[in-house]
Amino acid sequence: AQRVTQPEKLLSVFKGAPVELKCNYSYSGSPELFWYVQYSRQRLQLLLRHISRESIKGFTADLNKGETSFHLKKPFAQEEDSAMYYCALNTGNQFYFGTGTSLTVIP
Amino acid sequence: GAVVSQHPSWVICKSGTSVKIECRSLDFQATTMFWYRQFPKQSLMLMATSNEGSKATYEQGVEKDKFLINHASLTLSTLTVTSAHPEDSSFYICSAREGGGQPQHFGDGTRLSIL
Repeated sequence: AQRVTQPEKLLSVFKGAPVELKCNYSYSGSPELFWYVQYSRQRLQLLLRHISRESIKGFTADLNKGETSFHLKKPFAQEEDSAMYYCALNTGNQFYFGTGTSLTVIP
Repeated sequence: GAVVSQHPSWVICKSGTSVKIECRSLDFQATTMFWYRQFPKQSLMLMATSNEGSKATYEQGVEKDKFLINHASLTLSTLTVTSAHPEDSSFYICSAREGGGQPQHFGDGTRLSIL
């Protein structure tokens, strides 16, 4: 069963517009969720994790246990945000990645 | 920050050759290392998970005799693609984490091209 779902494979927004990348998870235990980002020709890197509740590069993500979601949001998209974004779930024994969302910010 | 070094970054070899890829955690001890495969414009596909000192756990559909994983120390894991063929050409990425609740840190990946 798919543990992490990212319904949008591709997402395009205009510069300055708000952006939301969706992530839903399936796990009966206490989830630990992450967002990773992969810029063009660079390694995958951790963007943020839900337990730290911080904002990185203007992005935030709130864990909603009722909706089993961990959507990534930014109020004003920038061109440098164009990248591949992966949502990930850590169950302790296993790490599950979503299929990724390719974000393009149009100037 | 935590750094994972992967070597080589690109390797081209003839069909039938065995290729070894190294993954090292440079400034932390990695109790668990992961090996992924990524096809162009696609997501990461987890191949196997290895804990230091024990046998790797392979995902369904991944041939353990084809992709040999060794995690002999807390800072080094190796993936050996045995008797590689053109269909094994791909981008292989390793990651490492310090403990069960910690995030994964990724290497730069290895581009494997089999002629």
